[in-house]
Amino acid sequence: QKEVEQNSGPLSVPEGAIASLNCTYSDRGSQSFFWYRQYSGKSPELIMFIYSNGDKEDGRFTAQLNKASQYVSLLIRDSQPSDSATYLCAVRFGNQFYFGTGTSLTVIP
Amino acid sequence: GAVVSQHPSWVICKSGTSVKIECRSLDFQATTMFWYRQFPKQSLMLMATSNEGSKATYEQGVEKDKFLINHASLTLSTLTVTSAHPEDSSFYICSARDPGADTEQFFGPGTRLTVL
Repeated sequence: QKEVEQNSGPLSVPEGAIASLNCTYSDRGSQSFFWYRQYSGKSPELIMFIYSNGDKEDGRFTAQLNKASQYVSLLIRDSQPSDSATYLCAVRFGNQFYFGTGTSLTVIP
Repeated sequence: GAVVSQHPSWVICKSGTSVKIECRSLDFQATTMFWYRQFPKQSLMLMATSNEGSKATYEQGVEKDKFLINHASLTLSTLTVTSAHPEDSSFYICSARDPGADTEQFFGPGTRLTVL
């Protein structure tokens, strides 16, 4: 059983702050790690992916991967109200993707 | 980026009827497509992996006789919910992998199914 766990939240941060989202996974054979953003009633949209240990930055977003700890995180700098959504962590194993339950983020103006 | 479409975007049907949902990759050929189901305030649950020209692989607990998947071409996969019941009401989302973008899967916009 491949498990991906996230704190469901809700997580609230003030506008301009850093939001930190965390994810752990159970299978050490997992190959790639993804963060998706999902607005209510919509399908997920990819924010970024990472497959090497360390940090990967893309604009206001930074993904961090620690394979030894089986942990992946997403930092959102200068959070905006439009960032309010559910953030899904996904782990690829072989040909399939497994999703966490998502963390609900609210950015307060 | 790669585009995946779904049709219909929403459907309402009576209990006992069957509903077909189409998933198309518009600008790439997808040898593998995935079908997910998402209940309110829950995450995506993988239902099955659809491979072009072969039988779908279903996740544990998903009834293959109820959720019929056909991947007849490299750009089209269909999910048919047979004899739908109110508990099948959910948000169904397909995704496709673009072999040219190996690490990603691209999601369709989803289909909201309501069974009365």
